[in-house]
Amino acid sequence: AQSVSQHNHHVILSEAASLELGCNYSYGGTVNLFWYVQYPGQHLQLLLKYFSGDPLVKGIKGFEAEFIKSKFSFNLRKPSVQWSDTAEYFCAALSGNTGKLIFGQGTTLQVKP
Amino acid sequence: EAGVTQFPSHSVIEKGQTVTLRCDPISGHDNLYWYRRVMGKEIKFLLHFVKESKQDESGMPNNRFLAERTGGTYSTLKVQPAELEDSGVYFCASTRTSGRSNEQFFGPGTRLTVL
Repeated sequence: AQSVSQHNHHVILSEAASLELGCNYSYGGTVNLFWYVQYPGQHLQLLLKYFSGDPLVKGIKGFEAEFIKSKFSFNLRKPSVQWSDTAEYFCAALSGNTGKLIFGQGTTLQVKP
Repeated sequence: EAGVTQFPSHSVIEKGQTVTLRCDPISGHDNLYWYRRVMGKEIKFLLHFVKESKQDESGMPNNRFLAERTGGTYSTLKVQPAELEDSGVYFCASTRTSGRSNEQFFGPGTRLTVL
């Protein structure tokens, strides 16, 4: 069965530090991957997505992710985090043709000012 | 354009009671998804509507859960009778079509606590 796993459950960084959140998926077919973010008190919103083409995907707020097929990975990166990046981050994969999402466990990021 | 809305935002009920959660998708979005996140676990798919039809209900935990989308607009998710393990956050999402490139827009979620 298709699954998504996120390596880090809780990450604490200081402002201006670089961020990399790990995400691995298990699926042999066409891969469509997403990163969602949930800021405190807000709803889930899309950061970026990968469907095809350039494996380096740029999203909102300076985030990017790289799809590495050989490693089944889709890690999220940001060169310099801000206090406002404090949130929970979810990696997800599209399953089948109906559009349902398979989520990882989520990673809580706390950025210290 | 109004986003996906969910009601209530928080519900506290006792084991054995019934609760109905509501989701209003973005206007014009035919596809509606329900997800659930039990504390400490990942967000899991429950079911998918296309208009008023259930396209995929493979994630529904058991027959205590009933989802409807009469008229293809808003959807309700009823839990009857509720059990302790039903506690969690229930999310709703919608998209215009079910094509692979479509972003799902999520509602704020309903936090259900069963005592």
